[in-house]
Amino acid sequence: NAGVTQTPKFRVLKTGQSMTLLCAQDMNHEYMYWYRQDPGMGLRLIHYSVGEGTTAKGEVPDGYNVSRLKKQNFLLGLESAAPSQTSVYFCASSRVSRADTGELFFGEGSRLTVL
Amino acid sequence: GQSLEQPSEVTAVEGAIVQINCTYQTSGFYGLSWYQQHDGGAPTFLSYNALDGLEETGRFSSFLSRSDSYGYLLLQELQMKDSASYFCAVPGGANNLFFGTGTRLTVIP
Repeated sequence: NAGVTQTPKFRVLKTGQSMTLLCAQDMNHEYMYWYRQDPGMGLRLIHYSVGEGTTAKGEVPDGYNVSRLKKQNFLLGLESAAPSQTSVYFCASSRVSRADTGELFFGEGSRLTVL
Repeated sequence: GQSLEQPSEVTAVEGAIVQINCTYQTSGFYGLSWYQQHDGGAPTFLSYNALDGLEETGRFSSFLSRSDSYGYLLLQELQMKDSASYFCAVPGGANNLFFGTGTRLTVIP
């Protein structure tokens, strides 16, 4: 089982460029999440989805958009990248709501640098 | 809102026992999770405590006291491979799992 797979793993952008991060999970999970991780700040939720065709804002959604057209995929888009979006992005999934088991399955991360 | 406090760094000797504490403030508490993350890697789920008491899984144990809003992760028989960052987390609003800022554990020979 691949679990949660993120592509690309590394990317360098110039300010103002756009890009999309792809997350795919093969565990048939309903819930999917995008987090960003910055030094000394832990993981912060950007957007999440509770099922195919649904998306919702998390803690730090500004500057990002998401789509969940298929249950197994969750896309994170940056329309106009800014240096403040330099971070490591983690996709995660869970079978049930995070409140039931506290268990999320994470991908290996996508390291984005915006110059 | 939620807030979590855990030490930023801990150093321990190989073969020893180390305890990583976490205090939390949250509304509507459901449970406390622990995650491990090696440098450059993905966070990996370790444990979840919804009820008071100690949960043991091999060399790792996790404790929760809901009345004290406090929990800890206990690592026994430390190995070099246990050097990593450890995060406590609580369910927050709107399907969020709110993470602490992490404790970096360094195991020395």
